[in-house]
Amino acid sequence: NAGVTQTPKFQVLKTGQSMTLQCAQDMNHEYMSWYRQDPGMGLRLIHYSVGAGITDQGEVPNGYNVSRSTTEDFPLRLLSAAPSQTSVYFCASSYGASGEQYFGPGTRLTVT
Amino acid sequence: TQLLEQSPQFLSIQEGENLTVYCNSSSVFSSLQWYRQEPGEGPVLLVTVVTGGEVKKLKRLTFQFGDARKDSSLHITAAQPGDTGLYLCAGASHQAGTALIFGKGTTLSVSS
Repeated sequence: NAGVTQTPKFQVLKTGQSMTLQCAQDMNHEYMSWYRQDPGMGLRLIHYSVGAGITDQGEVPNGYNVSRSTTEDFPLRLLSAAPSQTSVYFCASSYGASGEQYFGPGTRLTVT
Repeated sequence: TQLLEQSPQFLSIQEGENLTVYCNSSSVFSSLQWYRQEPGEGPVLLVTVVTGGEVKKLKRLTFQFGDARKDSSLHITAAQPGDTGLYLCAGASHQAGTALIFGKGTTLSVSS
């Protein structure tokens, strides 16, 4: 099993550009989530999904969209990148919201 | 809003020293998880504690869940450079389907 995979590993965007961070898992987990990690701020939940076709907002959803068309994939879209979105983004999956979270390796995003 | 406070935020020690990291809240959790994150990687689960007063050992790491299930501690005996990393605690709510609450983490540096 590959576990949770994320692409790209690194990305630099200019303000106003859009892009999609990819996340896939091969463990048949129903629950998937996106976090951002900033120095001194810990992990903050952006969006999550309890199954295909169902998504909901987390703590910091503004500026981000998600969709869940399959159990395996949970992409995160930045609509119009801003410098405040410079961060490391982690995708995670689990059997349930409070179960062991399996994290991907992260995407380091810089917005200039 | 449930919050988890971790202390200390940073810890720099010599190889062979002992240390304790604390995770405190005013809220009761159904369980608490501890993760370790190494630079450039996603967090990885170390242990889950479920019962108030529970103690779990993982080699030189000892985890304890408070009797009231509001706090937890991680004690490392004879720290080694390989223990270096970010330690995160995460609490699970009693409300089904609620995402984990993560603390901001403790950055541990062990020098030889």
